[in-house]
Amino acid sequence: QVQLHESGPGLVEASQTLSLTCTVSGGSISSGGYYWSWIRQHPGKGLEWIGYIYYSGSTYYNPSLKSLVTISVAMSKTQFSLKLSSVTAADTAVYYCARYAMVQGSFDTWGQGTLVTVSS
Amino acid sequence: QSALTQPASVSGSPGQSITISCTGSSTDIGGYDYVSWYQQHPGKAPTLIIYDVTDRPSGVSNRFSGSKSGNTASLTISGLQAEDEADYYCSSYSNSNTLLLFGGGTKLTVL
Repeated sequence: QVQLHESGPGLVEASQTLSLTCTVSGGSISSGGYYWSWIRQHPGKGLEWIGYIYYSGSTYYNPSLKSLVTISVAMSKTQFSLKLSSVTAADTAVYYCARYAMVQGSFDTWGQGTLVTVSS
Repeated sequence: QSALTQPASVSGSPGQSITISCTGSSTDIGGYDYVSWYQQHPGKAPTLIIYDVTDRPSGVSNRFSGSKSGNTASLTISGLQAEDEADYYCSSYSNSNTLLLFGGGTKLTVL
């Protein structure tokens, strides 16, 4: 059973780059049929899709964040990462990594989430 | 403002049934069967409860069911239990630039 776990700094200074890593256990990013995703949730708010990556390296981003976001897969194929540049207080949120199953069209596996606070 | 519209809150008594709607457009819900629903308890990550409009992952109670009509998808929970009190989110694939949309979420209160 695949499990996901987010890691990274819980506090980022405004204007800096937010960097998070998602570690995949019990499976590999190289197994086709899935997009490896980042989703965030502002405090007390709903879910926002940030983007995802296929094992081949193809990426798809939310247009509202596209110019600031980079999602990549590590050479190990057991981790993928999120970089969000020029952060502001509006980027304070819980960040989730999740696996999107292409056939089912759904996020079938989620990490536990990590809170990132942007300090001014 | 979310791309998919859900009621902010619904409530019901134990044993009753409730339905949560999720309204989109012909470019998302109306055009594809990639509609999914997620349950989120406070402080926890969302979990998948419905995919492909009507299907349940293994282990999800058959008290949860999904449907779709036109541009609106619905989640019905029958035989309400106290443990069903949570936030519920719909999601859909979209052929717009934003490939994946979420609803704003609905808070279910079990009275």
